[in-house]
Amino acid sequence: GAVVSQHPSWVICKSGTSVKIECRSLDFQATTMFWYRQFPKQSLMLMATSNEGSKATYEQGVEKDKFLINHASLTLSTLTVTSAHPEDSSFYICSARDINQRGLTDTQYFGPGTRLTVL
Amino acid sequence: DAKTTQPTSMDCAEGRAANLPCNHSTISGNEYVYWYRQIHSQGPQYIIHGLKNNETNEMASLIITEDRKSSTLILPHATLRDTAVYYCIVRVPHTGGTASKLTFGTGTRLQVTL
Repeated sequence: GAVVSQHPSWVICKSGTSVKIECRSLDFQATTMFWYRQFPKQSLMLMATSNEGSKATYEQGVEKDKFLINHASLTLSTLTVTSAHPEDSSFYICSARDINQRGLTDTQYFGPGTRLTVL
Repeated sequence: DAKTTQPTSMDCAEGRAANLPCNHSTISGNEYVYWYRQIHSQGPQYIIHGLKNNETNEMASLIITEDRKSSTLILPHATLRDTAVYYCIVRVPHTGGTASKLTFGTGTRLQVTL
């Protein structure tokens, strides 16, 4: 089946530093990847849609200058949390869909998530 | 995308069938029903999806009512590993290279017990 990986799986950083999270589709290509954030005991909230070769589309209320997204290839998207603060501590999850998926399935496959803790 | 309503939590004994309901009374004709689950501290996992016919795969069965206003996900023989939050999502799938986004509600927390 389709596999999506994320790196790192967890990271601890100091307030004010930047953190980069990678999302890779290992056995398929993805024109579109999505980035979600999940706070404890809450549901996943979509942050942005990452489009290969173009700018990301951000959901309302998500600061594009703080959460930088780059989708440089059909298998890699990165999320950089700039000038991280404790309130950015969360579980960040990416998803991707196989560009060659047949029919009306539009199934997304999720990465294992990255737990960010900002001290 | 149509809104969905799911019970907050459910319990199921191991080995029994787990039946998870979902109401989507405002679903439109071209919207599909998708089910995902999220085991604690992991990314969501795709389970199954359907339009109007009942569907079955190696993980579960999906029963959609004739009027499509509700559906039920069935895990035929629940195990402890099935303990997770189950999300029912209704959306119009995209074809081609792009993908449509998923909007997650609060889901149903299924607890499988011995």
